[in-house]
Amino acid sequence: DAKTTQPNSMESNEEEPVHLPCNHSTISGTDYIHWYRQLPSQGPEYVIHGLTSNVNNRMASLAIAEDRKSSTLILHRATLRDAAVYYCILREAQGGSEKLVFGKGTKLTVNP
Amino acid sequence: DAGITQSPRHKVTETGTPVTLRCHQTENHRYMYWYRQDPGHGLRLIHYSYGVKDTDKGEVSDGYSVSRSKTEDFLLTLESATSSQTSVYFCAISARGLYEQYFGPGTRLTVT
Repeated sequence: DAKTTQPNSMESNEEEPVHLPCNHSTISGTDYIHWYRQLPSQGPEYVIHGLTSNVNNRMASLAIAEDRKSSTLILHRATLRDAAVYYCILREAQGGSEKLVFGKGTKLTVNP
Repeated sequence: DAGITQSPRHKVTETGTPVTLRCHQTENHRYMYWYRQDPGHGLRLIHYSYGVKDTDKGEVSDGYSVSRSKTEDFLLTLESATSSQTSVYFCAISARGLYEQYFGPGTRLTVT
């Protein structure tokens, strides 16, 4: 089972910032935090990932708590195209193999 | 967009028949994955490959087999399809294990 907890849904207004939270209280020291999103009727799309430090890319920013038990995906200016399900995922290393375990994610609605 | 295609995109088959889904990539990435997505379950890993002829099981591998004889192709076979295997199947590729996965458009399989 996924070891992350996210709200089922969130709403935002267009052109406003969005903060999507994720709790991962059982994260281990070697687990990376990944974010993917899935637009309607499409496959998931990579957004960002990080280990300890905050990360920025052209799509979003990732803020990681100092104790690493939680993180926040930040969309600086939401657009209608950002309406999607957002998945917070820990990259698990088990017995030498690694896999991503997707939870149910947060469905983000962006209002015009 | 990453060069990844899936075929067929839609398929309806009868219980007990064999089915093969194909994932094809033009990126020469080492890692390839098969997921299924069902309402209420999110994405679940079926099998993955970390090189030609190197594959391993995911969390829901029962009833599925895979083969990878070439870098660019990863086949998922349902030996005897069951109604519980009705789902949307996504293929993903990655150059560096689990850092960034790129997903295909998906195959919608219905088993009647």
